[in-house]
Amino acid sequence: EDKVVQSPLSLVVHEGDTVTLNCSYEVTNFRSLLWYKQEKKAPTFLFMLTSSGIEKKSGRLSSILDKKELFSILNITATQTGDSAIYLCAVEPGTASKLTFGTGTRLQVTL
Amino acid sequence: ETGVTQSPTHLIKTRGQQVTLRCSSQSGHNTVSWYQQALGQGPQFIFQYYREEENGRGNFPPRFSGLQFPNYSSELNVNALELDDSALYLCASSLQGRADTQYFGPGTRLTVL
Repeated sequence: EDKVVQSPLSLVVHEGDTVTLNCSYEVTNFRSLLWYKQEKKAPTFLFMLTSSGIEKKSGRLSSILDKKELFSILNITATQTGDSAIYLCAVEPGTASKLTFGTGTRLQVTL
Repeated sequence: ETGVTQSPTHLIKTRGQQVTLRCSSQSGHNTVSWYQQALGQGPQFIFQYYREEENGRGNFPPRFSGLQFPNYSSELNVNALELDDSALYLCASSLQGRADTQYFGPGTRLTVL
């Protein structure tokens, strides 16, 4: 059974801090790993990673995948209060677009 | 904001009742996936529909069923509701085989009393 474990479960930081969120996984026939941001209800897509060692970057957010060690990290630099959300990691097997999600990391950025 | 819409927004039912949730896909998308998100948990895959056929199912009992229509919109039906069915139900539309195109709707919050 596919499995995703995220850590920490929750995190409180001050505006301007840098945070690193962790995601480890087990999946049959890995196809991709995805990161989402969930603020209220609908998760919104951040990154999809398929290859090891290649960093994906969007503004202050970046992510990298290690397929050998089966984990990914999501970095957020110079955090802002608008970054407060739940960050979800999901893996996609090679068979279908069935995503298995982790529990998420709840990030709170304070002034 | 995505083009995926869901109705109703909130719903309260009692144990044993049946419920139908609806989802309209993003324009151009041909695949719909449904997820259940319990409080404090990540979304859990229920099933996916592609070309009006079920195309993958998670660990949910048969009382969870679905439909996809020719316009790619979809319904999720749950029979014999149980208290543990209380959750946020998320619909996501995508292009088949392209998880990075998966756009989620705002969800339906179901409460079972």
